Amino acid sequence: NAGVTQTPKFRILKIGQSMTLQCTQDMNHNYMYWYRQDPGMGLKLIYYSVGAGITDKGEVPNGYNVSRSTTEDFPLRLELAAPSQTSVYFCASSLAGGWEKLFFGSGTQLSVL
Amino acid sequence: SQELEQSPQSLIVQEGKNLTINCTSSKTLYGLYWYKQKYGEGLIFLMMLQKGGEEKSHEKITAKLDEKKQQSSLHITASQPSHAGIYLCGAAPNGGSQGNLIFGKGTKLSVKP
Repeated sequence: NAGVTQTPKFRILKIGQSMTLQCTQDMNHNYMYWYRQDPGMGLKLIYYSVGAGITDKGEVPNGYNVSRSTTEDFPLRLELAAPSQTSVYFCASSLAGGWEKLFFGSGTQLSVL
Repeated sequence: SQELEQSPQSLIVQEGKNLTINCTSSKTLYGLYWYKQKYGEGLIFLMMLQKGGEEKSHEKITAKLDEKKQQSSLHITASQPSHAGIYLCGAAPNGGSQGNLIFGKGTKLSVKP
């Protein structure tokens, strides 16, 4: 199994551009998450989803949008990129909520210049 | 909101030496996850501790949970270069009812051959 797959691995955006970070999982997990990791700051939850059609905000949702039309896919949309969104983005999934371990993708390194 | 503080922030050890990483929570710990991140990659699940006093081991890595101190420790015995990376602790707010984790800022471990 591929697990959690993120694309692209690297991207450079200009201020004001938009893009979508793709995330797909093949484990039939119900829960999916988007985190961002800034240097020395750990991971911050952006959005999460408990199932298809259901999404909710995490700790740092401003400037991002998500959708969950299928169990497998959980794309993250940046509408108007800003330098503050320069970060490494990780998608993760888990079978359920509660005490389930998260499976992480390999990350997308995004720079906004 | 709950915060996880890890210490030390970084650590350089000689191969073969033992080391300990701590994770302290600002609120009651109902359980704790440990993840490892290799440079440029996603997070890999190491262990999950759910009960006070619980101790788990995997190869040369042992983790303990002290509910009274709201703290967990990760101990590596006879460190090897393969142990190098960033170690992050994670906890579920509200005792895991939401399934989304908060993370500490990480401890960067370097092992000198």
